[in-house]
Amino acid sequence: EVQLVESGGDLVQPGRSLRLSCAASGFTFDDYAMHWVRQAPGKGLEWVSGINWNSGSTAYADSVKGRFTISRDNAKNSLYLQMNSLRAEDTALYYCAKCSTITCYKQYFDYWGQGTLVTVSS
Amino acid sequence: DIQMTQSPSSLSASVGDRVTITCRASQSISNYLNWYQQKPGRAPKLLIYAASSLQSGVPSRFGGSGSGTDFTLTISSLQPEDFATYFCQQTYISTYNFGQGTKLESK
Repeated sequence: EVQLVESGGDLVQPGRSLRLSCAASGFTFDDYAMHWVRQAPGKGLEWVSGINWNSGSTAYADSVKGRFTISRDNAKNSLYLQMNSLRAEDTALYYCAKCSTITCYKQYFDYWGQGTLVTVSS
Repeated sequence: DIQMTQSPSSLSASVGDRVTITCRASQSISNYLNWYQQKPGRAPKLLIYAASSLQSGVPSRFGGSGSGTDFTLTISSLQPEDFATYFCQQTYISTYNFGQGTKLESK
């Protein structure tokens, strides 16, 4: 059974940093691209960042580019999101999502975690 | 960036109704359009990928169509468990953005 378990969410002050993790199980982690998607309270889904199977390609939404860094450790079956210079507008539930192949280009997110909450407030 | 626009933003319907939700892309995305369902407090769930392919385990009352810039999600006979929010997503350009969502409510 595919499982994605996010962790690391917290209440943090503006300008500070936070690192999110996503522990994957139930599939061969290094065969799939992985992504982060966030959802602000009461709002829609916002794609944040993605990484292909071997970390050779990454992408970011304009809203986080230069502040967030996505990475993965295939030996640990884990996905990460390093978030720096956090802003109030980064407050959201952060989901990790598994792509259907080694890249999400022309593909889809077939499994999602339950999310971890990041609150940015002074 | 490609903009994804869903309509309507909300919709009231009754059990047994046929429901259609539209998603429009600001430029052609071929058929690289996915549909997700999200219920309150839950993670999104994949319903349809590549515009018209039904994800395994999803009831056949869900259907998708379209290509280029205009897409539709159709629920042929609405069931009580279908009241939820629906999102479209493009995976043609690397910022894989979503539509703003359509909230399907009970009339």
